[in-house]
Amino acid sequence: NAGVTQTPKFRVLKTGQSMTLLCAQDMNHEYMYWYRQDPGMGLRLIHYSVGEGTTAKGEVPDGYNVSRLKKQNFLLGLESAAPSQTSVYFCASSPQGPEQYFGPGTRLTVT
Amino acid sequence: GNSVTQMEGPVTLSEEAFLTINCTYTATGYPSLFWYVQYPGEGLQLLLKATKADDKGSNKGFEATYRKETTSFHLEKGSVQVSDSAVYFCALSEGVNQGGKLIFGQGTELSVKP
Repeated sequence: NAGVTQTPKFRVLKTGQSMTLLCAQDMNHEYMYWYRQDPGMGLRLIHYSVGEGTTAKGEVPDGYNVSRLKKQNFLLGLESAAPSQTSVYFCASSPQGPEQYFGPGTRLTVT
Repeated sequence: GNSVTQMEGPVTLSEEAFLTINCTYTATGYPSLFWYVQYPGEGLQLLLKATKADDKGSNKGFEATYRKETTSFHLEKGSVQVSDSAVYFCALSEGVNQGGKLIFGQGTELSVKP
């Protein structure tokens, strides 16, 4: 099993550009999450999903959208990137609850 | 709202030293508590957990006890190794009814020197 994979691993965007980050899991987990990690701030939840076709806002959802069209995939979109969105983004999944399995992360820089 | 506070790092220790990383929490109800570890260049991994007061979680020589009276979940290890160098995150869960969401502390970087 590959576990949780994230695509791409690195990306540089100009302000105003858009992009989609892909998270995929092969563990048949119901729950999926998107976090951002910034120095000194730990991980903050952006959006999450408790099942295919569902999404919900986390702590810092502004400027991001998500979709969960298939159980195994959770997409994070930035419609108009801003320098404040420079961060490391982590996806996680769980069977049903707080024991989460994390992907390797995507490092995004917005210039 | 619920929150988690960890001791600030970085923490630098010599190999075989005793490790304590402090973690305190604020929560309504009875959360579950976790320690996650992030090795350089990787995602987070669950290290240990405790689901109710007085539970002790343990894994790979690390231990933490859920202390409701002091709202704490301090991480300890009796003898650290260079391979323990990583960032450690304390977290609490608001429960399955809340989507299994985790609230993380800011992380504590540990560096172990030979």
